[in-house]
Amino acid sequence: TQLLEQSPQFLSIQEGENLTVYCNSSSVFSSLQWYRQEPGEGPVLLVTVVTGGEVKKLKRLTFQFGDARKDSSLHITAAQPGDTGLYLCAGSSGTYKYIFGTGTRLKVLA
Amino acid sequence: KAGVTQTPRYLIKTRGQQVTLSCSPISGHRSVSWYQQTPGQGLQFLFEYFSETQRNKGNFPGRFSGRQFSNSRSEMNVSTLELGDSALYLCASSLHLGSFLVLPPPDTQYFGPGTRLTVL
Repeated sequence: TQLLEQSPQFLSIQEGENLTVYCNSSSVFSSLQWYRQEPGEGPVLLVTVVTGGEVKKLKRLTFQFGDARKDSSLHITAAQPGDTGLYLCAGSSGTYKYIFGTGTRLKVLA
Repeated sequence: KAGVTQTPRYLIKTRGQQVTLSCSPISGHRSVSWYQQTPGQGLQFLFEYFSETQRNKGNFPGRFSGRQFSNSRSEMNVSTLELGDSALYLCASSLHLGSFLVLPPPDTQYFGPGTRLTVL
């Protein structure tokens, strides 16, 4: 069974701090996506990474796909309260369309 | 362009009953996928429909079924409800049926707000 483990599970930080969320698996994925989900809503796609070692930036968010395409990280610089939400990674490979990670719940305090 | 809509938004049922959830994809999208989200198991893939045919299925019992209509709208049915079926059920639409093993990656999925099902 393919699994995507995210760490940390919960994170509460002050506005302006930096943070990194990790997404790890023993399986290789052809692509990996990051989503953010807010209460009462479905996940919203932030980025898709495809190539091993790829780095993508979205304003204050930096996403990296591991060289072996088994892991990924999301780094947020100078976090803001609007970044609060559930961050999910999702790998695309094999039988299922997407395998979702266990999720990281982030709370940014003003 | 209107987003993915799901009805109803909230539902309360008792054990043994059955339930039908509805999903209307973004106009022009032909693929609809269903997911179950729970605090313990996270977000898990149920099945995907494309052109009225189930193309992929996750690891869920046969009590979970679905269908897709010619206008791409999809319904999901759960029979003989169990307490463990309490969850947020999400549907996602995409333009095409994704291919898992080749590049470019599958089409972007757009999720609806979900239906919160509580089984008592």
